[in-house]
Amino acid sequence: EIVLTQSPGTLSLSPGERATLSCRASQTVSSNYLAWYQQKPGQAPRLLIYGASGRATGIPDRFSGSGSGTDFTLTISRLEPEDFAVYYCQQYGTSLYTFGQGTKLEIK
Amino acid sequence: QVQLVQSGAEVKKPGSSVKVSCKASGGTFSSDALSWVRQAPGQGLEWMGGIIPIFGTPDYAQKFQGRVKITADESTTTAYLELSSLRYEDTAVYFCARDQKGFDFWGQGTLVTVSS
Repeated sequence: EIVLTQSPGTLSLSPGERATLSCRASQTVSSNYLAWYQQKPGQAPRLLIYGASGRATGIPDRFSGSGSGTDFTLTISRLEPEDFAVYYCQQYGTSLYTFGQGTKLEIK
Repeated sequence: QVQLVQSGAEVKKPGSSVKVSCKASGGTFSSDALSWVRQAPGQGLEWMGGIIPIFGTPDYAQKFQGRVKITADESTTTAYLELSSLRYEDTAVYFCARDQKGFDFWGQGTLVTVSS
């Protein structure tokens, strides 16, 4: 099973700032099948990024994904108040999917 | 637009089983992969397993092997998650999600509470 480790655990920033979230895999993610999700309290997760860098339908362009192999990054270029939430990465490059433990993005 | 509607909350006793349903509409049910993900209170997301209805053979996370069963009924476009030998730590919200370049559509979640 591929283990995904996200860092930092918590990120404290202010609206307007840039956020950089990391996801590291224990082995190469096949075909860069890496997704990012945003989750707010009491809601289902929302798909942001698929295939490491593809933006899902309706996702603002301030969200971008990058990386390959074992190291991936989600960048939010300029934080809006609604972006403060928990973010998860997920690999789907094998038949057994796994999620990272999450990064909480909180208002400083 | 794909919609996934799950069955309602359940309260179960330790050692019993629970079966959660996920009714799909708006997509191509038979060929759409569908996964189940759970989230314990205050915890992260945990993938449990998935199925492509037309193929019928599910994949399961190793952690749940032997306790979980995922099925799909093409005639009613409904997928099911059955979890047996329930423990207190199985208390969680269980989500179904369509699996197409990531999990692009999600059900609303079903709270399963294991309590004596």
